[in-house]
Amino acid sequence: ELKVEQNPLFLSMQEGKNYTIYCNYSTTSDRLYWYRQDPGKSLESLFVLLSNGAVKQEGRLMASLDTKARLSTLHITAAVHDLSATYFCAVSFGNEKLTFGTGTRLTIIP
Amino acid sequence: EAGVAQSPRYKIIEKRQSVAFWCNPISGHATLYWYQQILGQGPKLLIQFQNNGVVDDSQLPKDRFSAERLKGVDSTLKIQPAKLEDSAVYLCASSFPRAPGELFFGEGSRLTVL
Repeated sequence: ELKVEQNPLFLSMQEGKNYTIYCNYSTTSDRLYWYRQDPGKSLESLFVLLSNGAVKQEGRLMASLDTKARLSTLHITAAVHDLSATYFCAVSFGNEKLTFGTGTRLTIIP
Repeated sequence: EAGVAQSPRYKIIEKRQSVAFWCNPISGHATLYWYQQILGQGPKLLIQFQNNGVVDDSQLPKDRFSAERLKGVDSTLKIQPAKLEDSAVYLCASSFPRAPGELFFGEGSRLTVL
């Protein structure tokens, strides 16, 4: 059974600081996704990472994938309040089924 | 482009009652998913349809949950009888055949079982 773990589960950081969220998964995977979820809202797709060494950036967020280590990172640069949300990684293999991680609840403090 | 539509947004029932949730995916999306998200956890796949056929329902509690996707478009998820532990948000998602795994989620149906 594919397992996906994220850490930390909770992250409180000051505006302007940098930090990284980690996503580890237990078996070989085709693709890795990052989603954002605001309180009471649905999930919004952020990044799709398709191959080893893939790196994608959007604004202050940058995601990378190391398939050999079965590790993805989501790096936040110079955090701003608008980035406060819960971030999920999700991994798929074969039949498009996504297995989600536990989520990282990020709070940006002014 | 219209997104994934779900209804109702909120539902409160007592245990042992039944409930049904409806989902209309994005036009042209052949794959439809129902996920269960318990508070503080990541979404868990309940069932995946490809057109109107079931691809994966391995985590669907079949003694109380059922789902159908008539004509390969809309889908309904039913719970009967509900248990306290079924309290969760039920998320419907769909994906385009050329972009498998890139899911578009609806806003969810929040179920509270008392």
